[in-house]
Amino acid sequence: AQSVTQPDIHITVSEGASLELRCNYSYGATPYLFWYVQSPGQGLQLLLKYFSGDTLVQGIKGFEAEFKRSQSSFNLRKPSVHWSDAAEYFCAVGARGDYKLSFGAGTTVTVRA
Amino acid sequence: DAGVTQSPTHLIKTRGQQVTLRCSPKSGHDTVSWYQQALGQGPQFIFQYYEEEERQRGNFPDRFSGHQFPNYSSELNVNALLLGDSALYLCACGASGGADTQYFGPGTRLTVL
Repeated sequence: AQSVTQPDIHITVSEGASLELRCNYSYGATPYLFWYVQSPGQGLQLLLKYFSGDTLVQGIKGFEAEFKRSQSSFNLRKPSVHWSDAAEYFCAVGARGDYKLSFGAGTTVTVRA
Repeated sequence: DAGVTQSPTHLIKTRGQQVTLRCSPKSGHDTVSWYQQALGQGPQFIFQYYEEEERQRGNFPDRFSGHQFPNYSSELNVNALLLGDSALYLCACGASGGADTQYFGPGTRLTVL
């Protein structure tokens, strides 16, 4: 069964500083990997996705993620955070031929001035 | 903007009642998945509908049922509501595939008293 672990429940970062959110997955085959962001009271917005190919994936809002098969990780990064990046971030895993996404518990990001 | 709409936005019910939630995908999307997101947790897959049939189901009891209409819109029905059913219910829509890319609606916040 596929599963996702986000080790950090809450991260606080200063505006302008870099951000890295960790994601580890468990899946037997080649996974499809996603990062979503959720602002308070809102649905989920897709930041980026990895299916195959280049292991460094660029997304919206200046985010990128790197797929490392040897570490079963798909960490999300942003070089310089903005106050508007404060939100909850979810890593998710899916698979070709499967129809569900399995989500981690999320990481809450707080941005301080 | 994912173009996915859900109604109602908020709903308050009492234990034992029944509820129906609605989701309309944007043009070009023909699969609808439903997820339950309890407070402080990641979304959990309930089921997916495609071609008006339930294609895959997560670990949810039969009290949770659904329907997809010819125009691809979908309903989620929950019978005999329990306090634990209080959550944000999200629908995610995609184009006749697996978990390739799903776009989420804003959700319906259900409170069971």
